[in-house]
Amino acid sequence: QVQLVQSGAEVKKPGASVKISCKASAYSFSNYYMNWVRQAPGQGLEWMGIINPNGGGTSYAQKFHGRVTVTRDTSTSTVYMEMTSLTYEDTAVYYCAEGGSMSWGPFRSWGQGTLVTVSS
Amino acid sequence: IVLTQSPGTLSLSPGERATLSCRASQSMSSSSLAWYQQIPGQAPRLLIYGTSTRATGIPDRFSGSGSGTDFTLTISRLEPEDFAVYYCQQDGSSVTFGGGTKVEIK
Repeated sequence: QVQLVQSGAEVKKPGASVKISCKASAYSFSNYYMNWVRQAPGQGLEWMGIINPNGGGTSYAQKFHGRVTVTRDTSTSTVYMEMTSLTYEDTAVYYCAEGGSMSWGPFRSWGQGTLVTVSS
Repeated sequence: IVLTQSPGTLSLSPGERATLSCRASQSMSSSSLAWYQQIPGQAPRLLIYGTSTRATGIPDRFSGSGSGTDFTLTISRLEPEDFAVYYCQQDGSSVTFGGGTKVEIK
């Protein structure tokens, strides 16, 4: 079972930024697309963006374009998701999820989730 | 592509059959449709991909079908651990999830 290990919970003030990490195995990191998905309290799943294992190209849901950046560190097999200008509506659990090798999905393995709470 | 799931909630008893619907706003490739199960407090788990292929370790009481704009997840006989929320997802045109169907104990 592929294991994706995410960083711990965060509490941020409105207007701040947050950066969450997701550590994968070296094989997964190099061969599979990595996605970010969030889930607000009591709500459904919302896809945010993706990073390509070949070259690190990214793509984002239109809603998050310009406010979310997905990056990676090849030396540690870690993917990051940074979100700026946080509002109360960004309070959610954020998941990384491993996609396919030739396609963006399906999402076969998920991290444990990182709770981000935006509170003044 | 917008995915609409119905019903929002399904109230059934253990042993009953569950039929969950996922309708796409436009025709899509069947290779791009997946289903996930989420138990409260846990990350989602992949059940079905490519419309009808079960993921590793998924019991055969779970099956998927459909084409074009209409897709279905069927649980042939509900076990106690199957009461959860189910999401469909497409990855043929960006990535989107349906709003979910909660399967609850009647």
